[in-house]
Amino acid sequence: AQKITQTQPGMFVQEKEAVTLDCTYDTSDPSYGLFWYKQPSSGEMIFLIYQGSYDQQNATEGRYSLNFQKARKSANLVISASQLGDSAMYFCAMREALNYGGATNKLIFGTGTLLAVQP
Amino acid sequence: EPEVTQTPSHQVTQMGQEVILRCVPISNHLYFYWYRQILGQKVEFLVSFYNNEISEKSEIFDDQFSVERPDGSNFTLKIRSTKLEDSAMYFCASIRDRVLTKNIQYFGAGTRLSVL
Repeated sequence: AQKITQTQPGMFVQEKEAVTLDCTYDTSDPSYGLFWYKQPSSGEMIFLIYQGSYDQQNATEGRYSLNFQKARKSANLVISASQLGDSAMYFCAMREALNYGGATNKLIFGTGTLLAVQP
Repeated sequence: EPEVTQTPSHQVTQMGQEVILRCVPISNHLYFYWYRQILGQKVEFLVSFYNNEISEKSEIFDDQFSVERPDGSNFTLKIRSTKLEDSAMYFCASIRDRVLTKNIQYFGAGTRLSVL
């Protein structure tokens, strides 16, 4: 069964510093996708970054990058130059494999990491 | 930028009442989802919908739940007889095509359902 694990319930970081949020996953399928979403206190789910299992390079989107270590089954989110507005809950999620006809693309989420950026 | 729209943002209801949560997915998207997040917990998949039928549902999605796409734009989640434990944030999401490898699910802002 597929599973996402986020072991850090909460993290603190100083403004302008970089922070790494951990995510490990478990799947036996060779084709999968990994996502990070941000959930501010207002509640909406905001897509941040995507990494495909066959992507050769680590994904980057502005200040967000994904440290993808396939052999270790980890997909850590790195936020560079933290800003006060980065304070939020961050969820790692995995999409099930695409290589069978019944796949519905549902996402399986981790328990999240609450990031607090301090001035 | 196109977005998924959910209404209402907050719904308060009495236990045993029916509620309908509404979503307008992104216009060229074909696959639709409902997820639930109980306060302080992780987001859980409820149901996926394609071509006017349910393609997958979770154990949470029992006979009290139903989904519908009544008019080609709205996508609704109905809870027939709400229970206290249905109190949660409900998210609608959509994707254009499930075959694409980079298939980002865009979420609405959520409906917070409070069952009293």
